[in-house]
Amino acid sequence: DTGVSQDPRHKITKRGQNVTFRCDPISEHNRLYWYRQTLGQGPEFLTYFQNEAQLEKSRLLSDRFSAERPKGSFSTLEIQRTEQGDSAMYLCASSLAETRQETQYFGPGTRLLVL
Amino acid sequence: EDKVVQSPLSLVVHEGDTVTLNCSYEVTNFRSLLWYKQEKKAPTFLFMLTSSGIEKKSGRLSSILDKKELFSILNITATQTGDSAVYLCAVVFYNNNDMRFGAGTRLTVKP
Repeated sequence: DTGVSQDPRHKITKRGQNVTFRCDPISEHNRLYWYRQTLGQGPEFLTYFQNEAQLEKSRLLSDRFSAERPKGSFSTLEIQRTEQGDSAMYLCASSLAETRQETQYFGPGTRLLVL
Repeated sequence: EDKVVQSPLSLVVHEGDTVTLNCSYEVTNFRSLLWYKQEKKAPTFLFMLTSSGIEKKSGRLSSILDKKELFSILNITATQTGDSAVYLCAVVFYNNNDMRFGAGTRLTVKP
């Protein structure tokens, strides 16, 4: 296992279309996080899962956003009816919650451009 | 409101210089502070700091946390062009391990 992977790496879509991103965490990690990063800013927390349970959602996550982690392994983030303001880098990170010094490791990100 | 503030926002130095990057925070439920290096892609982990006054070192990089004054510094000695990146600090919250990032410091090291 070489780390967190995300697919696709780049996505260009037209406003109003739906998009879905996938994240595969490090295999033994039970926590999975989604962040959004816009140009010049640090990542902003969107949501996180412990195993298959979605434990917290940021207020940034509008009704158009939904995330799932059905089997406690990979996760998907779907954005419905995309808007130009959704253009950003979407980062996934994973961690092992049982360790005392939990560290989140990031995937390469999916860069979304909404035209 | 929880805040993480990094300074300076950008810094240009020459190879061989030493730099100090700052991260101050005002948060509830502080658990730890992390430093990441971000080049063109996703952040890569550098350090996790949980206790005051204990320096973490990795090669030319070092970092320390002051939980009384609520800040951390990241030092890079003998900088190289490969150190050019955005350096992000993030505070981890105790209850949910959510992280709040600063805006980052963009470091440019010129040959």
